[in-house]
Amino acid sequence: AQSVTQPDIHITVSEGASLELRCNYSYGATPYLFWYVQSPGQGLQLLLKYFSGDTLVQGIKGFEAEFKRSQSSFNLRKPSVHWSDAAEYFCAVGASQGAQKLVFGQGTRLTINP
Amino acid sequence: KAGVTQTPRYLIKTRGQQVTLSCSPISGHRSVSWYQQTPGQGLQFLFEYFSETQRNKGNFPGRFSGRQFSNSRSEMNVSTLELGDSALYLCASSLRSGARNTEAFFGQGTRLTVV
Repeated sequence: AQSVTQPDIHITVSEGASLELRCNYSYGATPYLFWYVQSPGQGLQLLLKYFSGDTLVQGIKGFEAEFKRSQSSFNLRKPSVHWSDAAEYFCAVGASQGAQKLVFGQGTRLTINP
Repeated sequence: KAGVTQTPRYLIKTRGQQVTLSCSPISGHRSVSWYQQTPGQGLQFLFEYFSETQRNKGNFPGRFSGRQFSNSRSEMNVSTLELGDSALYLCASSLRSGARNTEAFFGQGTRLTVV
């Protein structure tokens, strides 16, 4: 069965600092991987996705993620965070058909210090 | 184009009642998936509908059911509500294309409170 682990429940960084959110997945075949962001009381917005090809994927809002098969990881990065990046971030893995049945990690809450 | 629309945004129901939530997918999208989000359990997959048929199902009791109409709009029903059903219910629409899959677009959710 698929599973996703986000080891960090809460991360605090200063505005302008770099960010890395960790995600480890368990899936027997080639995974479909996603990062979503959620602001309080809102739905989920897709930041980026990986299906195949280049293992470094670029997303919206200056985010990028790197797929490392050997480590079963798909970490999210941003070189310089902005106060508006404060939100909850979810990593998800999809089954072979893709995005219809997603398994989510528990989420990482990001706080930005001014 | 319009995004995924969920109605209503907020609901308060009494234990034992039933509730119906609605989701209108993005135009052209034929797959609708439903998720439950709670502080304790996180985001959990409920079920997916495509072409008016349930294609995938999560590990939820039979009190949770759904359906999809010919225009791809979907409804989710929860019968005999329990306090633990209080959650944010999210739906997501996607193209579910055969050769290559695409991302899921989420609605704003329906916040259900059971009292």
